[in-house]
Amino acid sequence: KAGVTQTPRYLIKTRGQQVTLSCSPISGHRSVSWYQQTPGQGLQFLFEYFSETQRNKGNFPGRFSGRQFSNSRSEMNVSTLELGDSALYLCASRGVNTEAFFGQGTRLTVV
Amino acid sequence: KQEVTQIPAALSVPEGENLVLNCSFTDSAIYNLQWFRQDPGKGLTSLLLIQSSQREQTSGRLNASLDKSSGRSTLYIAASQPGDSATYLCAVNTGNQFYFGTGTSLTVIP
Repeated sequence: KAGVTQTPRYLIKTRGQQVTLSCSPISGHRSVSWYQQTPGQGLQFLFEYFSETQRNKGNFPGRFSGRQFSNSRSEMNVSTLELGDSALYLCASRGVNTEAFFGQGTRLTVV
Repeated sequence: KQEVTQIPAALSVPEGENLVLNCSFTDSAIYNLQWFRQDPGKGLTSLLLIQSSQREQTSGRLNASLDKSSGRSTLYIAASQPGDSATYLCAVNTGNQFYFGTGTSLTVIP
Protein backbone atom coordinates (compact mmCIF):
# COMPACT_ATOMS: atom_id res chain seq x y z
CA LYS A 1 0.00 0.00 0.00
CA ALA A 2 1.07 3.59 -0.53
CA GLY A 3 3.23 5.23 2.11
CA VAL A 4 3.01 8.67 3.63
CA THR A 5 3.08 11.37 0.96
CA GLN A 6 4.28 14.88 1.60
CA THR A 7 4.03 17.75 -0.85
CA PRO A 8 5.81 19.73 -1.97
CA ARG A 9 9.26 18.17 -1.50
CA TYR A 10 11.08 21.49 -1.68
CA LEU A 11 10.08 25.08 -1.06
CA ILE A 12 11.89 28.39 -1.07
CA LYS A 13 10.10 31.29 0.59
CA THR A 14 10.94 34.83 1.60
CA ARG A 15 10.87 36.11 5.16
CA GLY A 16 7.42 37.32 6.13
CA GLN A 17 5.58 35.06 3.72
CA GLN A 18 3.43 32.15 4.73
CA VAL A 19 3.56 28.54 3.62
CA THR A 20 1.29 25.51 3.61
CA LEU A 21 2.60 21.95 3.62
CA SER A 22 0.52 18.87 2.95
CA CYS A 23 0.64 15.32 4.26
CA SER A 24 -1.42 12.34 3.11
CA PRO A 25 -1.20 9.46 5.60
CA ILE A 26 -1.28 5.77 4.92
CA SER A 27 -4.80 4.64 4.05
CA GLY A 28 -6.69 3.79 7.23
CA HIS A 29 -4.42 5.76 9.55
CA ARG A 30 -6.22 8.49 11.45
CA SER A 31 -3.29 9.97 13.38
CA VAL A 32 -0.98 12.46 11.71
CA SER A 33 1.92 14.13 13.52
CA TRP A 34 4.27 16.87 12.35
CA TYR A 35 7.93 17.29 13.25
CA GLN A 36 10.56 19.89 12.49
CA GLN A 37 14.12 18.70 11.94
CA THR A 38 17.08 21.06 12.07
CA PRO A 39 20.81 20.33 12.48
CA GLY A 40 20.93 22.19 15.78
CA GLN A 41 17.72 21.00 17.46
CA GLY A 42 17.18 17.59 15.92
CA LEU A 43 13.61 16.36 15.60
CA GLN A 44 11.05 18.38 17.49
CA PHE A 45 7.35 17.64 17.81
CA LEU A 46 4.97 20.25 16.41
CA PHE A 47 1.49 18.73 16.80
CA GLU A 48 -0.64 15.67 16.32
CA TYR A 49 -4.09 15.38 14.76
CA PHE A 50 -6.50 12.52 15.20
CA SER A 51 -9.90 12.39 13.53
CA GLU A 52 -9.74 16.09 12.61
CA THR A 53 -8.91 17.19 16.19
CA GLN A 54 -5.59 18.45 17.47
CA ARG A 55 -4.69 15.96 20.16
CA ASN A 56 -1.26 17.18 21.24
CA LYS A 57 0.86 20.22 20.65
CA GLY A 58 4.56 20.87 21.03
CA ASN A 59 6.30 24.00 22.16
CA PHE A 60 6.17 26.11 19.03
CA PRO A 61 4.82 29.64 18.55
CA GLY A 62 1.32 30.27 17.28
CA ARG A 63 2.70 31.00 13.80
CA PHE A 64 2.70 27.24 13.37
CA SER A 65 -0.74 25.78 12.90
CA GLY A 66 -2.34 22.77 11.33
CA ARG A 67 -5.53 21.03 10.48
CA GLN A 68 -6.80 17.65 9.43
CA PHE A 69 -9.53 16.86 6.98
CA SER A 70 -12.18 14.15 7.08
CA ASN A 71 -10.04 11.96 4.77
CA SER A 72 -7.19 12.22 7.35
CA ARG A 73 -5.03 14.36 5.08
CA SER A 74 -3.33 17.07 7.08
CA GLU A 75 -1.91 20.49 6.33
CA MET A 76 0.57 22.53 8.28
CA ASN A 77 0.76 26.29 7.94
CA VAL A 78 3.54 28.62 8.98
CA SER A 79 2.82 32.33 8.87
CA THR A 80 5.24 35.25 8.91
CA LEU A 81 8.20 33.07 8.04
CA GLU A 82 11.54 33.64 9.77
CA LEU A 83 14.99 32.52 8.68
CA GLY A 84 15.01 30.08 11.61
CA ASP A 85 12.03 28.24 10.17
CA SER A 86 14.28 26.74 7.51
CA ALA A 87 14.14 23.04 8.21
CA LEU A 88 13.02 19.63 7.04
CA TYR A 89 9.37 19.19 8.00
CA LEU A 90 8.31 15.60 8.46
CA CYS A 91 4.92 14.11 9.00
CA ALA A 92 4.14 10.69 10.41
CA SER A 93 1.01 8.60 10.33
CA ARG A 94 0.07 5.95 12.82
CA GLY A 95 -2.42 3.14 12.84
CA VAL A 96 -3.89 1.15 15.69
CA ASN A 97 -0.61 -0.50 16.72
CA THR A 98 0.98 2.97 17.08
CA GLU A 99 3.93 2.23 14.77
CA ALA A 100 4.84 5.50 13.09
CA PHE A 101 5.57 5.79 9.39
CA PHE A 102 7.19 8.93 8.07
CA GLY A 103 7.01 10.70 4.75
CA GLN A 104 10.03 11.95 2.82
CA GLY A 105 9.61 15.40 4.20
CA THR A 106 9.35 18.94 2.84
CA ARG A 107 12.58 20.91 2.76
CA LEU A 108 11.71 24.53 3.50
CA THR A 109 14.28 27.24 2.90
CA VAL A 110 13.51 30.77 4.05
CA VAL A 111 15.61 33.51 2.45
CA LYS B 1 10.18 15.96 30.34
CA GLN B 2 11.46 12.90 28.52
CA GLU B 3 15.05 13.13 27.33
CA VAL B 4 16.56 10.66 24.91
CA THR B 5 20.29 10.20 24.44
CA GLN B 6 22.10 8.15 21.83
CA ILE B 7 25.66 6.98 22.11
CA PRO B 8 27.90 7.08 20.18
CA ALA B 9 27.11 10.11 18.05
CA ALA B 10 29.15 8.66 15.21
CA LEU B 11 30.57 5.25 14.43
CA SER B 12 32.77 3.96 11.63
CA VAL B 13 33.29 0.22 11.18
CA PRO B 14 34.66 -2.11 8.50
CA GLU B 15 32.20 -4.16 6.53
CA GLY B 16 31.20 -7.41 8.18
CA GLU B 17 31.47 -6.24 11.77
CA ASN B 18 28.68 -6.65 14.29
CA LEU B 19 27.80 -3.45 16.12
CA VAL B 20 25.61 -2.06 18.87
CA LEU B 21 23.93 1.31 19.03
CA ASN B 22 22.71 2.60 22.37
CA CYS B 23 19.69 4.64 23.36
CA SER B 24 18.78 5.81 26.86
CA PHE B 25 15.72 7.66 28.10
CA THR B 26 14.94 9.36 31.39
CA ASP B 27 11.29 8.46 32.01
CA SER B 28 10.32 4.78 31.97
CA ALA B 29 6.61 5.56 31.46
CA ILE B 30 6.56 4.80 27.75
CA TYR B 31 4.14 3.08 25.39
CA ASN B 32 6.76 1.86 23.00
CA LEU B 33 10.12 2.60 21.43
CA GLN B 34 10.87 2.69 17.75
CA TRP B 35 14.15 2.61 15.84
CA PHE B 36 14.48 4.45 12.54
CA ARG B 37 17.15 5.01 9.93
CA GLN B 38 17.51 8.22 8.00
CA ASP B 39 19.51 8.69 4.83
CA PRO B 40 20.82 12.19 4.07
CA GLY B 41 18.02 14.59 3.16
CA LYS B 42 15.40 11.88 3.36
CA GLY B 43 12.60 10.90 5.68
CA LEU B 44 12.70 8.29 8.42
CA THR B 45 12.38 4.60 7.69
CA SER B 46 10.95 2.46 10.47
CA LEU B 47 13.22 -0.43 11.44
CA LEU B 48 11.76 -1.95 14.57
CA LEU B 49 8.97 -1.19 17.03
CA ILE B 50 9.15 -2.56 20.58
CA GLN B 51 6.05 -2.31 22.72
CA SER B 52 6.60 -1.46 26.39
CA SER B 53 5.69 -5.02 27.42
CA GLN B 54 8.28 -6.57 25.09
CA ARG B 55 11.96 -7.20 25.70
CA GLU B 56 13.20 -7.48 22.13
CA GLN B 57 12.30 -7.51 18.46
CA THR B 58 14.14 -8.94 15.50
CA SER B 59 14.02 -8.20 11.80
CA GLY B 60 16.62 -9.82 9.57
CA ARG B 61 20.07 -8.68 10.69
CA LEU B 62 18.61 -6.25 13.20
CA ASN B 63 17.77 -6.95 16.82
CA ALA B 64 16.49 -4.35 19.24
CA SER B 65 16.18 -4.81 22.98
CA LEU B 66 14.32 -2.79 25.57
CA ASP B 67 14.91 -2.53 29.30
CA LYS B 68 12.21 -0.13 30.37
CA SER B 69 13.09 -0.11 34.05
CA SER B 70 16.63 1.06 33.38
CA GLY B 71 15.62 3.33 30.52
CA ARG B 72 17.74 1.64 27.86
CA SER B 73 17.42 0.20 24.41
CA THR B 74 20.05 -1.22 22.09
CA LEU B 75 20.03 -1.84 18.37
CA TYR B 76 22.26 -4.69 17.28
CA ILE B 77 23.28 -4.89 13.63
CA ALA B 78 24.86 -8.13 12.52
CA ALA B 79 27.32 -8.48 9.65
CA SER B 80 27.24 -4.80 8.71
CA GLN B 81 27.18 -3.79 5.04
CA PRO B 82 28.00 -0.49 3.27
CA GLY B 83 24.27 -0.08 2.60
CA ASP B 84 23.72 0.16 6.35
CA SER B 85 25.47 3.55 6.34
CA ALA B 86 22.92 6.07 7.61
CA THR B 87 21.85 7.89 10.75
CA TYR B 88 19.99 5.74 13.23
CA LEU B 89 17.43 7.35 15.50
CA CYS B 90 15.56 5.97 18.45
CA ALA B 91 12.22 7.46 19.42
CA VAL B 92 10.31 7.00 22.65
CA ASN B 93 6.53 7.16 22.49
CA THR B 94 5.00 8.55 25.68
CA GLY B 95 1.46 8.39 24.33
CA ASN B 96 1.40 12.13 23.66
CA GLN B 97 4.32 12.33 21.28
CA PHE B 98 7.59 10.80 20.16
CA TYR B 99 10.79 12.05 21.74
CA PHE B 100 13.79 11.53 19.51
CA GLY B 101 17.43 11.06 20.25
CA THR B 102 19.99 13.01 18.22
CA GLY B 103 21.00 9.89 16.37
CA THR B 104 24.08 7.80 15.66
CA SER B 105 25.73 8.39 12.30
CA LEU B 106 27.00 5.03 11.05
CA THR B 107 29.55 4.56 8.28
CA VAL B 108 30.34 1.05 7.10
CA ILE B 109 33.61 0.95 5.18
CA PRO B 110 33.84 -1.54 2.30
